[in-house]
Order: sequence, then C-alpha cells, then structure tokens
Amino acid sequence: DAKTTQPPSMDCAEGRAANLPCNHSTISGNEYVYWYRQIHSQGPQYIIHGLKNNETNEMASLIITEDRKSSTLILPHATLRDTAVYYCIAWYSSNTGKLIFGQGTTLQVKP
Amino acid sequence: DVKVTQSSRYLVKRTGEKVFLECVQDMDHENMFWYRQDPGLGLRLIYFSYDVKMKEKGDIPEGYSVSREKKERFSLILESASTNQTSMYLCASSLARAGNTGELFFGEGSRLTVL
Repeated sequence: DAKTTQPPSMDCAEGRAANLPCNHSTISGNEYVYWYRQIHSQGPQYIIHGLKNNETNEMASLIITEDRKSSTLILPHATLRDTAVYYCIAWYSSNTGKLIFGQGTTLQVKP
Repeated sequence: DVKVTQSSRYLVKRTGEKVFLECVQDMDHENMFWYRQDPGLGLRLIYFSYDVKMKEKGDIPEGYSVSREKKERFSLILESASTNQTSMYLCASSLARAGNTGELFFGEGSRLTVL
C-alpha cells in the first residue's frame, strides 16, 4: 500500500472552504484514494473516494492531480461540525477493505 | 442507513479476565473488521472476516481471537485481558469485492480499560 502524507493540523474559518491536502507520491495505478473523517469519540466515517477523476458528493469534493501523486479534499462551506481528524488512505481493491489509517489531519473549524 | 452496533461503549475489566466485545451490522455485509485505536498509533487492524466462520489475522492479532458464527455478528475475544489492551476498539463492516469495498462502516467504538 502506498503511504500518504498529510499535515498534522489545519484551521479553517466557518463558512469558508476547507482544503485538505494529501501526498501519495508512491501510489500505484490500481490504488484508490479514500478519505475518512473521525469526529471526537466516534468511529471513522467514509467521505469520498476516487481513482483518477475528480469526484463530488453531498459531503465533499475530491481533486486528484493528473499524475496522481497528490489529492485535495474540499469541504465547500465548513461548519463547526466539520471539526474532526481527516484521513487520506491509498487503498488497493484486492485488500478486501484492509485500510491502513495514518495520523491524519486535525481540522479545526473556527467561528 | 447502515448501522454497526457495538455492544458496550465503555467497559472496565480486571487483568486476566476474559472479555467479549460484540459487533452487529444490519446491512448483510460480507466483510467485518476489528481495529484498535491508540493515541499516536492510529487505527490498527486486529482481525477481519470475509465470510461466516472465516477469519484472517490483521497486523496485531496477538492476545486476541474472533468468532463469526453468523453473518451479521463479529465478536472480538480477549482470552486473558492485560493492561496493554486498554484501548478504543472499533468494529467495521463493508460489502465484498464489488465497487466500493474500501467503504467501511464503523461502529461508535468500545472503550476498554483493563485494571
């Protein structure tokens, strides 16, 4: 599995877009990029995933660079409830869900 | 909504006790997982199961065993609890081998303290 690198912490003003970066320079062609978040005292929650193309759902957008060495998770209008630890994971489909969680980025949304 | 339910949010046990952590999911998922989460170490996979009566060791299986007698239920067993097993335990489930198998649904966690 490719390793991912994320900044340990970030701040964002409420109502503004939160852009969370992730580097995965050793990602292979068949590894997906998955994003999860974990709000304090809860289990991780799936946000979004992608392979090559940019993806958007009701929670967030995922922008993957053309060389796939990095990606950015975008929360378009951050709220206080988006304060959480965000994990970027490179995952290979034959791993049957054996996700390897790193340390993630702690996002603090401030009023 | 998929629901993964862990039997206890908080447990306190004594060293040497046998501990059962139960997990039930209601979406007919084939795969189920047990992770533990510790500060500075992130989430580490203990065991997973991709079918009834099937199990595979994860990264840290020592001191643990699992049981999957029914598709919806996956139990984690600490045969003889030790203080270094004090941790947050997280159960998860996912569909098998079709589309979004990297999409795990987690329970709320069971915080175990071993005295």
